[in-house]
Amino acid sequence: DAGVIQSPRHEVTEMGQEVTLRCKPISGHDYLFWYRQTMMRGLELLIYFNNNVPIDDSGMPEDRFSAKMPNASFSTLKIQPSEPRDSAVYFCASSSGTAQYGYTFGSGTRLTVV
Amino acid sequence: AQSVTQPDIHITVSEGASLELRCNYSYGATPYLFWYVQSPGQGLQLLLKYFSGDTLVQGIKGFEAEFKRSQSSFNLRKPSVHWSDAAEYFCAVLSGGYNKLIFGAGTRLAVHP
Repeated sequence: DAGVIQSPRHEVTEMGQEVTLRCKPISGHDYLFWYRQTMMRGLELLIYFNNNVPIDDSGMPEDRFSAKMPNASFSTLKIQPSEPRDSAVYFCASSSGTAQYGYTFGSGTRLTVV
Repeated sequence: AQSVTQPDIHITVSEGASLELRCNYSYGATPYLFWYVQSPGQGLQLLLKYFSGDTLVQGIKGFEAEFKRSQSSFNLRKPSVHWSDAAEYFCAVLSGGYNKLIFGAGTRLAVHP
């Protein structure tokens, strides 16, 4: 298995632009998680899905952020409009069953908003 | 709310020396605990996990961790550190109905030759 695949690896965008981050989970995994990593706040869970349904989005910072999972093999995290404070590394992770067996993380997308 | 604390932000050890990274958790019941490692520019990789049973857990890359309920700790150890172990290490606890991993702030490990 190729693992959790995220694209792009790096994204540089101007403030106010829309940004879309993509994630392909491991085939057969029914949970998908989006995390954000910054120096100041560490690793924060933004949202997670179970069987393509959003379960907990309490970590989404504000309405500018949205996430979708149209099918079991694809998820997006969108920021519109982007702001410099959104600069971070965004990780996608997936797991089979509950998270007690641990997540498998993707390599992340480094987002820079200038 | 469940949480984990990693008291050490940075640790530097010499290659070949032993290592212990500290993790303290806050959780009402028996916690599910994890250690992950993140190499520069990479995602997080699971080192080991504890659910129940034997309090000494073996993981990959020669790491082990010991669960101590009396101290609310889950410290990570390695008897002899290699230069390739230089990375950031995260302790995590399972929360939210066993669906959410809550991470500590991480400990950055530097290894001197």
